[in-house]
Amino acid sequence: AQSVTQLGSHVSVSEGALVLLRCNYSSSVPPYLFWYVQYPNQGLQLLLKYTSAATLVKGINGFEAEFKKSETSFHLTKPSAHMSDAAEYFCAVSDLRGAQKLVFGQGTRLTINP
Amino acid sequence: DTGVSQDPRHKITKRGQNVTFRCDPISEHNRLYWYRQTLGQGPEFLTYFQNEAQLEKSRLLSDRFSAERPKGSFSTLEIQRTEQGDSAMYLCASSSPGQRNEQFFGPGTRLTVL
Repeated sequence: AQSVTQLGSHVSVSEGALVLLRCNYSSSVPPYLFWYVQYPNQGLQLLLKYTSAATLVKGINGFEAEFKKSETSFHLTKPSAHMSDAAEYFCAVSDLRGAQKLVFGQGTRLTINP
Repeated sequence: DTGVSQDPRHKITKRGQNVTFRCDPISEHNRLYWYRQTLGQGPEFLTYFQNEAQLEKSRLLSDRFSAERPKGSFSTLEIQRTEQGDSAMYLCASSSPGQRNEQFFGPGTRLTVL
């Protein structure tokens, strides 16, 4: 069965600092991988996705993530944090076939300090 | 805006009552998903429709839960005899086969069972 582990339920960085949110996955076959962001009392918005093309994926709002098969990781980064980045971030994995349901990690709450 | 919509946004009910939620997916999307998200957790898959056919259900979907998508367009999720443990955010998402499982989420329905 697929699973996702997000290391660190809460990450705090200063405005302008590097953002690094960690995600490790478990899957028996090469999966699709996603990062979603959720603002309070809202649904999820897709930041970026890995679908077996380039291993370095660029998303919206300056975020990017690198797929590393050897490390089963898909960490999310942003060079310079902005106050508006404060939110909950979820990493997710899905199969390439069948229902392709998303399996989410527990989430990481990102706080930006002024 | 032609995104995924959900109604109602909030629902407060007493234990033992029945509730029904509606999801309107993006019009050209034939895949529809329901997820449940409890406080501080990532969303968990409940069920999946391809057109009007319900093709997969999670074991989380007890006998008190039923979902339909009668004409392959909107979907409803009904919870009978609600329990306090049903309190959660219920999220709907839709996707198209050609989009490599990029799921678009609605704003969710927050259910509170008193």
